[in-house]
Amino acid sequence: QSVLTQPPSVSAAPGQKVTISCSGSSSNIGNNYVSWYQQLPGTVPKLLIYDNNKRPSGIPDRFSGSKSGTSATLGITGLQTGDEADYYCGTWDNSLSVWVFGGGTKLTVL
Amino acid sequence: QVQLVESGGGVVQPGRSLRLSCAASGFSFSSYGIDWVRQAPGKGLEWVAVIWYDGSNKYYADSVKGRFTISRDNSKNTLYLQMNSLRAEDTAVYYCARHRGNWDFDLWGRGTLVTVSS
Repeated sequence: QSVLTQPPSVSAAPGQKVTISCSGSSSNIGNNYVSWYQQLPGTVPKLLIYDNNKRPSGIPDRFSGSKSGTSATLGITGLQTGDEADYYCGTWDNSLSVWVFGGGTKLTVL
Repeated sequence: QVQLVESGGGVVQPGRSLRLSCAASGFSFSSYGIDWVRQAPGKGLEWVAVIWYDGSNKYYADSVKGRFTISRDNSKNTLYLQMNSLRAEDTAVYYCARHRGNWDFDLWGRGTLVTVSS
């Protein structure tokens, strides 16, 4: 059971928008920055969003992040088949003194 | 080229030990905290441990505390993970990852597979 809760899967059609939620608590999301990672099949995780809502160089603006209270959300617009991947949220937990990842969400572009 | 390269994985029997290495190049290794993150076959990401840029602080996941030790040699630009008393559930691809600033992992190695099996 992950400290951060993500839906196991989401799906949408090409061109549509999808959101992936990440729910935590005051000891983690509520008081720390959240980052998001994309793991395409058979590849290494890649940083997608950092500091809640910033995109690293090279990440298209179709990807966005937000945080409110103890939850964070990853948004992807203009879905492409190449976006099919596992997405993970993560942050530091002050009470446990550990980094925590969400359980991951598998995105299917129908 | 900015990169992290893991090595040292392999097949090991339960209860035995293994040491992983992560060689850094292309950036100032001694300026960054580095973490180990693992991924069991078909499973999600699991954070394992972190060491501060100067080795002054180390933190571990409960699942490995007391069995694994993270260390680094900044003169060799290398991170280590000493894994003792290995269990079947430690079977995973182990990644080293650079963390920065407000703590995100902006650089990952390609991983090394550890299989614990008799």
